[in-house]
Amino acid sequence: NAGVMQNPRHLVRRRGQEARLRCSPMKGHSHVYWYRQLPEEGLKFMVYLQKENIIDESGMPKERFSAEFPKEGPSILRIQQVVRGDSAAYFCASSPLKQGLYDEQFFGPGTRLTVL
Amino acid sequence: GEDVEQSLFLSVREGDSSVINCTYTDSSSTYLYWYKQEPGAGLQLLTYIFSNMDMKQDQRLTVLLNKKDKHLSLRIADTQTGDSAIYFCAETSNDYKLSFGAGTTVTVRA
Repeated sequence: NAGVMQNPRHLVRRRGQEARLRCSPMKGHSHVYWYRQLPEEGLKFMVYLQKENIIDESGMPKERFSAEFPKEGPSILRIQQVVRGDSAAYFCASSPLKQGLYDEQFFGPGTRLTVL
Repeated sequence: GEDVEQSLFLSVREGDSSVINCTYTDSSSTYLYWYKQEPGAGLQLLTYIFSNMDMKQDQRLTVLLNKKDKHLSLRIADTQTGDSAIYFCAETSNDYKLSFGAGTTVTVRA
């Protein structure tokens, strides 16, 4: 049973380009979460998605960032017109259908984005 | 906003106990977690504690929670080389939005 997959693992972009980060949740998981880790900081929540729905995007920057989790295929975190401050590790997590108060989030290995 | 703080580095001798400390600010935290990250891998949940508990033990791991001081600790007994990793403390006051510390890099020396 494969874990959460993220690709690419490393991504280099020049300022002004677009970055697309992909996340395939664990089999059977319908909830996806994206977190960002800036250098020497903890992971910060960005967005929570279910299939075809954004549930909570309170951690997403208002501009240039968007996320989707289509009916088929991986979840995508898209950053338009990247700037140096977007350089970070982006982690995706998934969880199964909500079964109670606590649902473990299973994390992928992260995508390290470097903006030149 | 929520803040979670932990020291950045810990060096421990093989066979000794490791203690990793964490403080948080959100008094409405319901769950507190410890995650482990090995090189090149995702974060792996080690253990969690509900906020109405003081202690939880799971084999070599002991979690202590002082809710009054908002202090969480993870003790690893008989530390092994395989325990070398980054350990993240995290908390949540709802059921999905986790707030993490910056991680403590634990190095186990022979």
